Amino acid sequence: DTGVSQDPRHKITKRGQNVTFRCDPISEHNRLYWYRQTLGQGPEFLTYFQNEAQLEKSRLLSDRFSAERPKGSFSTLEIQRTEQGDSAMYLCASSLASLSGTHNEQFFGPGTRLTVL
Amino acid sequence: DAKTTQPTSMDCAEGRAANLPCNHSTISGNEYVYWYRQIHSQGPQYIIHGLKNNETNEMASLIITEDRKSSTLILPHATLRDTAVYYCIVRVMNNNAGNMLTFGGGTRLMVKP
Repeated sequence: DTGVSQDPRHKITKRGQNVTFRCDPISEHNRLYWYRQTLGQGPEFLTYFQNEAQLEKSRLLSDRFSAERPKGSFSTLEIQRTEQGDSAMYLCASSLASLSGTHNEQFFGPGTRLTVL
Repeated sequence: DAKTTQPTSMDCAEGRAANLPCNHSTISGNEYVYWYRQIHSQGPQYIIHGLKNNETNEMASLIITEDRKSSTLILPHATLRDTAVYYCIVRVMNNNAGNMLTFGGGTRLMVKP
């Protein structure tokens, strides 16, 4: 399967703990996105990378949230000092940005469901 | 804030056409209309997009009104596997903002036997 993969698929943690999620994009895709989805709502954009550069991070929910894509391939999203309100599905997507800037479809992974107790 | 308005839910009989409306009355001239869907426990899946002309692909058809203030996604022969939440999104191309998809609440389509 050459789609976007995320690991783990489910994570249960206690309040105050740090968690890290991994996303592996489609191999030739240079853009990678993170979204959060709470129950009954549509996904909410958090941040995105083009190659290893983080081009937008103003939508990260707080300074407890950080993301990296060190080699321009996989990415990690870390949440420090988790709170119960962080419980959500964390979705990763990737796309291939063309030089012409035309339509670049975002392909989503299955998500990581986080439960903070 | 989402710039689209969709009905919360819709039902459709299996084999019939599903017509999902979307209002985007504040759409700008450089904004495209995109549709994604999300089947339960999966990530969103791209369906189709358009600027001002009607579009068709193997999944669906997109009808955009002449004033571009609304559109309709048509699934010509709905199956049970089309049961999902359908999101209508407007986005610009070629700039940073266009890379941040803004999802609203979507329409929950239930296809019934």
